[in-house]
Amino acid sequence: DVKVTQSSRYLVKRTGEKVFLECVQDMDHENMFWYRQDPGLGLRLIYFSYDVKMKEKGDIPEGYSVSREKKERFSLILESASTNQTSMYLCASSFRSRGRMSSPLHFGNGTRLTVT
Amino acid sequence: GEDVEQSLFLSVREGDSSVINCTYTDSSSTYLYWYKQEPGAGLQLLTYIFSNMDMKQDQRLTVLLNKKDKHLSLRIADTQTGDSAIYFCAEKRSGNTGKLIFGQGTTLQVKP
Repeated sequence: DVKVTQSSRYLVKRTGEKVFLECVQDMDHENMFWYRQDPGLGLRLIYFSYDVKMKEKGDIPEGYSVSREKKERFSLILESASTNQTSMYLCASSFRSRGRMSSPLHFGNGTRLTVT
Repeated sequence: GEDVEQSLFLSVREGDSSVINCTYTDSSSTYLYWYKQEPGAGLQLLTYIFSNMDMKQDQRLTVLLNKKDKHLSLRIADTQTGDSAIYFCAEKRSGNTGKLIFGQGTTLQVKP
């Protein structure tokens, strides 16, 4: 079974703090993703990475950055946390799509971040 | 637009069938997925359908795809209280980025 592990289930941080959310997958997946989930808005893509040291902006990258130094690890960084970044953050991974492979995303259990 | 749309809430009685609907906008979508999220957990892949198929059945789950209308549905037969969760549809568009576009999620409430 694919395992995607997010380092924290719950985090409480203060406005202005630098916050690191860590994600590790054990299936040698090329692709890794960070989404945030808010009620009524579904999942929105923040950043994704399709290889080590590669990253691409998703739909809502403002206020976030990412780091992918190793294939299995993808970090989301909030440079200066703000209250509007209070949310559930979900990490996911998948194989690179090849031909007609479905390559579904496999998700971690999420990190609920509260910024006060 | 670029949205994937779902209704936000569905309530059914235990033993009834549930039908959760989804519309998408990109005719180049290659795969469409249904995920389930139980309280406090991440998203679990339920099933998926390739865009050249009309229907896929997997035990109590039936996925119907109307590509002309860009409409996807998930039918759960004999709905149980354990099916109470949020259900997300998602589309994968053509290209190799692998990212999925998700709907807002439908909260399914199953009453005993």
